[in-house]
Amino acid sequence: NAGVMQNPRHLVRRRGQEARLRCSPMKGHSHVYWYRQLPEEGLKFMVYLQKENIIDESGMPKERFSAEFPKEGPSILRIQQVVRGDSAAYFCASSLGQGFGYTFGSGTRLTVV
Amino acid sequence: AQTVTQSQPEMSVQEAETVTLSCTYDTSESDYYLFWYKQPPSRQMILVIRQEAYKQQNATENRFSVNFQKAAKSFSLKISDSQLGDAAMYFCAYNGNNAGNMLTFGGGTRLMVKP
Repeated sequence: NAGVMQNPRHLVRRRGQEARLRCSPMKGHSHVYWYRQLPEEGLKFMVYLQKENIIDESGMPKERFSAEFPKEGPSILRIQQVVRGDSAAYFCASSLGQGFGYTFGSGTRLTVV
Repeated sequence: AQTVTQSQPEMSVQEAETVTLSCTYDTSESDYYLFWYKQPPSRQMILVIRQEAYKQQNATENRFSVNFQKAAKSFSLKISDSQLGDAAMYFCAYNGNNAGNMLTFGGGTRLMVKP
């Protein structure tokens, strides 16, 4: 039973390009969460999705960031026109529901040059 | 909004000794869950231990145990017989009923284990 799969592990983008981060949740998990971690800091919530629905996007920047979790396929976090401040580790997690805790992926480290 | 505070940016412990990491949180909810996660240099987030607020008994997982003080809103992690592999960042996290299953994390404590 594979865990949460994130790819790519490392992603380098030039300023102004688009970044697409992918996350496949654990089998049977229908709740997906994206978090961002800046160096030496904790994880900050970005967005919570269930299949085909955004449940809570209160942590997402209003511009340039979007997320989806289609009926088929992985969840995608998309960052348009990246800037240096977007450089961070982006973690995806999945869960069975409240109280079960999350299973995290290994993260994608985005570097904007 | 809930907040989680880890007041110790760094801690160190001698191998085989015991160390306690502190965590406090602020909430108006009565029913919630608390977690400790470990993040080694590999960056993988690993669930260490989980506590349900309605349970008075402190959770334990092998060498890891918690001291959950609900009235004081305190949730410390005790690591017994520390091992070199315990060296990592440790994050306390809160999950409440009104949070839409969102986890709120503390800022983390870096644990160093001395051989």
